[in-house]
Amino acid sequence: DQQVKQNSPSLSVQEGRISILNCDYTNSMFDYFLWYKKYPAEGPTFLISISSIKDKNEDGRFTVFLNKSAKHLSLHIVPSQPGDSAVYFCAASFSGNTPLVFGKGTRLSVIA
Amino acid sequence: GEEVAQTPKHLVRGEGQKAKLYCAPIKGHSYVFWYQQVLKNEFKFLISFQNENVFDETGMPKERFSAKCLPNSPCSLEIQATKLEDSAVYFCASSQGNEQFFGPGTRLTVL
Repeated sequence: DQQVKQNSPSLSVQEGRISILNCDYTNSMFDYFLWYKKYPAEGPTFLISISSIKDKNEDGRFTVFLNKSAKHLSLHIVPSQPGDSAVYFCAASFSGNTPLVFGKGTRLSVIA
Repeated sequence: GEEVAQTPKHLVRGEGQKAKLYCAPIKGHSYVFWYQQVLKNEFKFLISFQNENVFDETGMPKERFSAKCLPNSPCSLEIQATKLEDSAVYFCASSQGNEQFFGPGTRLTVL
């Protein structure tokens, strides 16, 4: 029973355009949501996070939106760059240094 | 250090042999987490520590897996009598707040 779902295994976007990666969750008790980027043979790299009390967080080209009523979050990357090509993982946690629950990832390809 | 360090990068063991993996968390981080990545993209939580104390071990297969975080030493994850299904990438992460920062992982191959 997957608590965090990324329903799109892959996404292709042209350089300069917006990339939108989606994530759904089932447990309304999740308190914190994070996005990680992963290149092959490397560990996940933290990108951006959002607390459940907010609906938007922005950091440079990356913005995360949270819709609690729909149990949905999305990561927007604008403008997309070829170096953004990687697997993106959505993760969620409860409060208090609890383990992350990961989605299965979405492979983003940014085409020059 | 400024990054989570994991050693070795690769480890090959025959079935039934012991495997030991190491993790040095970011300096100042009190929490250490171990995850197992199997089937390419699925992350499974194993165990977490708050300093040298076990914080959450709900994911640990206790029969063959053990872990420690001792003062002034890297944390370790040990698998006694490895099985083929233990082949995976093992990631360590450390945190001092809500964000967890991951090491590069150790790829364990059990033959």
